[in-house]
Amino acid sequence: GAVVSQHPSWVICKSGTSVKIECRSLDFQATTMFWYRQFPKQSLMLMATSNEGSKATYEQGVEKDKFLINHASLTLSTLTVTSAHPEDSSFYICSAIEKRRYNEQFFGPGTRLTVL
Amino acid sequence: KQEVTQIPAALSVPEGENLVLNCSFTDSAIYNLQWFRQDPGKGLTSLLLIQSSQREQTSGRLNASLDKSSGRSTLYIAASQPGDSATYLCAVSRHTGTASKLTFGTGTRLQVTL
Repeated sequence: GAVVSQHPSWVICKSGTSVKIECRSLDFQATTMFWYRQFPKQSLMLMATSNEGSKATYEQGVEKDKFLINHASLTLSTLTVTSAHPEDSSFYICSAIEKRRYNEQFFGPGTRLTVL
Repeated sequence: KQEVTQIPAALSVPEGENLVLNCSFTDSAIYNLQWFRQDPGKGLTSLLLIQSSQREQTSGRLNASLDKSSGRSTLYIAASQPGDSATYLCAVSRHTGTASKLTFGTGTRLQVTL
């Protein structure tokens, strides 16, 4: 139980385009999801907290107009990287909190974004 | 601001050896601590979660301890195997209303050789 999926697993796009990444909780409902970014050989950095039915909360230094987050249902959160640039190339990982186990996060497999 | 440090940054051991990975954190007001495993290019697999009121957790060949007052945790791996090769991350959580935010450590890259 507590499986989280991400789609796509990898994406390559041209500079200036927008890319949408989906995060789904497959067998549980998640009122809260988190989005992380990981650069090569570095640890995960929290970007934002996604709450179902309300606006996301962004960490300091993360541009909310560049990284649009939508949590429209209890099983789906999306991250849209708008007007992507090469410096946005990274590994993006989401996690979800299961309501009955709110102190534990379950992680998706990650999405590798490469911006040319 | 919470800072999480892991030592060593990289470790290579021969198969069969027991090993210890270290994690330290600067703010002892944590909700829980988790150890994760990450294979190259992959997501995170949760290994052990220790609540702030607990001192250790065990799963198979893995044992994690927590000393909240001193801001330290260790992950002990017994009888290491080549399949244990991965990056190990520790993360501490702080409670923020209805959710717990995680702060990750810098990771330890483990290589178990034949």
